[in-house]
Amino acid sequence: QITLKESGPTLVKPTQTLTLTCTFSGFSLSTSGVGVGWIRQPPGKALEWLALIYWNDDKRYSPSLKSRLTITKDTSKNQVVLTMTNMDPVDTATYYCALSYCSSTSCYPDIWGQGTMVTVSS
Amino acid sequence: SYELTQPPSVSVSPGQTARITCSGDALPKKYAYWYQQKSGQAPVLVIYEDSKRPSGIPERFSGSSSGTMATLTISGAQVEDEADYYCYSTDSTGGVFGGGTKLTVL
Repeated sequence: QITLKESGPTLVKPTQTLTLTCTFSGFSLSTSGVGVGWIRQPPGKALEWLALIYWNDDKRYSPSLKSRLTITKDTSKNQVVLTMTNMDPVDTATYYCALSYCSSTSCYPDIWGQGTMVTVSS
Repeated sequence: SYELTQPPSVSVSPGQTARITCSGDALPKKYAYWYQQKSGQAPVLVIYEDSKRPSGIPERFSGSSSGTMATLTISGAQVEDEADYYCYSTDSTGGVFGGGTKLTVL
């Protein structure tokens, strides 16, 4: 059974750095064709793709947020970490991590975690 | 940056066919994926690679893609299909979601 769970602070102050951890089980991030991505959703709004790390440590970032995001993995711990710098109230959202499957042309989120709500406020 | 465009809302009566569209310039070359998100829940993949259905997804869900438009079709929509639906695709930098379509079945 594949599961993913997000963890991190529920409240951060403006200008702070957010660090979120995705802890997963049921698959290995060293398996070819596998990735873990992050997606967020502000309250009442649409999903927004943020970042993806591949099994081979290749990384992709949303162009609009690239300067603020860093994604890393610890294969031995079955964890993926997303950091987002210079947080702003508009970054208030539910943050999801998801197991992604990658073909030669695209990667897509398949199995999602439950999400974690992050509020940015002073 | 790459964009996918969906209608904000679609409404059908139970038993009718619901069609939700997603338009994007790269769709002739890239697959479309569809996610269902019910209130307060994480999204669930219902269609992948334009028209494939994951195991456990009812047969009434189908997908197609032609040119710059992908379509999610729910044949004989049920009350429990009421949800937000998002299309997803990729470009050279990563992934992108459409703005979402609220499906009302009543």
